[in-house]
Amino acid sequence: GNSVTQMEGPVTLSEEAFLTINCTYTATGYPSLFWYVQYPGEGLQLLLKATKADDKGSNKGFEATYRKETTSFHLEKGSVQVSDSAVYFCALSDRNTGNQFYFGTGTSLTVIP
Amino acid sequence: ETGVTQSPTHLIKTRGQQVTLRCSSQSGHNTVSWYQQALGQGPQFIFQYYREEENGRGNFPPRFSGLQFPNYSSELNVNALELDDSALYLCASSSDRGVSPLHFGNGTRLTVT
Repeated sequence: GNSVTQMEGPVTLSEEAFLTINCTYTATGYPSLFWYVQYPGEGLQLLLKATKADDKGSNKGFEATYRKETTSFHLEKGSVQVSDSAVYFCALSDRNTGNQFYFGTGTSLTVIP
Repeated sequence: ETGVTQSPTHLIKTRGQQVTLRCSSQSGHNTVSWYQQALGQGPQFIFQYYREEENGRGNFPPRFSGLQFPNYSSELNVNALELDDSALYLCASSSDRGVSPLHFGNGTRLTVT
């Protein structure tokens, strides 16, 4: 079946540090991959996406590359800011196996000044 | 462009009661999905509605039911509430049934006592 595994949190970084949040997936078909971000008290917001192997999604300085050979979609940012503090969710959707999105458990990021 | 709106924002119910949550989809979106997010977890798919019909269902019992209206707004109904139903309920709309990104509302926080 389909599933997403994210690195355990919480993650605490100093401002301007490099960020990596690992995400691996299992899928029966050819999924699209997403990163969503959730700020306190809010719903999830789409951060970036990639729809096929070797695609790179990017937004607001965040990047993730769809790696089919390692079934991974790791999130990276070169220099984090305090405003990046949030919970990050990796997700996949596979048209061949239905219409639902599968989410990881989320990784909490706190950036300290 | 109007985003996804949910009501109410918070709700407290007693075990055994029934509850109805409401969602207005983003303009131009014809598909609505509902997710349950327990504390510290990723969202879990409940079901999806497309053109007023259920179009996919996750691993939730029949006491979770829904509706979609001609204007694409939606309701989630939960009967015979249990303590474990306490969670954040997220509504998400999208422009088709497949792998288009989900656009989430801020959710309804349901507490069952």
